[in-house]
Amino acid sequence: AQKITQTQPGMFVQEKEAVTLDCTYDTSDPSYGLFWYKQPSSGEMIFLIYQGSYDQQNATEGRYSLNFQKARKSANLVISASQLGDSAMYFCAMREGYNQAGTALIFGKGTTLSVSS
Amino acid sequence: ETGVTQTPRHLVMGMTNKKSLKCEQHLGHNAMYWYKQSAKKPLELMFVYSLEERVENNSVPSRFSPECPNSSHLFLHLHTLQPEDSALYLCASSQDGDRDIMGSYNEQFFGPGTRLTVL
Repeated sequence: AQKITQTQPGMFVQEKEAVTLDCTYDTSDPSYGLFWYKQPSSGEMIFLIYQGSYDQQNATEGRYSLNFQKARKSANLVISASQLGDSAMYFCAMREGYNQAGTALIFGKGTTLSVSS
Repeated sequence: ETGVTQTPRHLVMGMTNKKSLKCEQHLGHNAMYWYKQSAKKPLELMFVYSLEERVENNSVPSRFSPECPNSSHLFLHLHTLQPEDSALYLCASSQDGDRDIMGSYNEQFFGPGTRLTVL
């Protein structure tokens, strides 16, 4: 079974609108972290936002917020007031085993976001 | 230099060539990673080094050989590759074991990647 599922291969949004990118995860470990990364066409992976499994509040970073629903095992990324520069591939990722050294991230297949003017 | 750097950025090689990819992190992190990103596939973990020791080798073919001489440098040695090995190879680093060091969440910081084409 996939650990990280991103069901939207592509999303389209107009400038200044909000968009939600879906992510569901599967783990039996009570300690885990959830990450969102942005990958522009240049290829570099840019860290956006993090949510820990024990965090009581949804994470927010500027225009990015994470809608964390633990019981549903979902961690959707919400981008408010979309900008043309937000057009990129977005990856949801999970790290199991909180703070264990050398634990790699498990990535979803990604969602391509296209923002139009 | 800041962050994570990778060289070369682009590499074209024949199946009989031997080449190496280099990654250097300037963040004082203690763990480094190699990922492979093929078209339309999720990022695949290849190797993890923590405190310069290999922690995980994700069943990667032996034609890929990692080397971590110190905590700042990571290499991926390539030999007798196949055309299906053409991909973007990403290096990452993280500071593991301590949360909230300088506000960090142990997130992985990625380099710009090496775009590899095997002819």
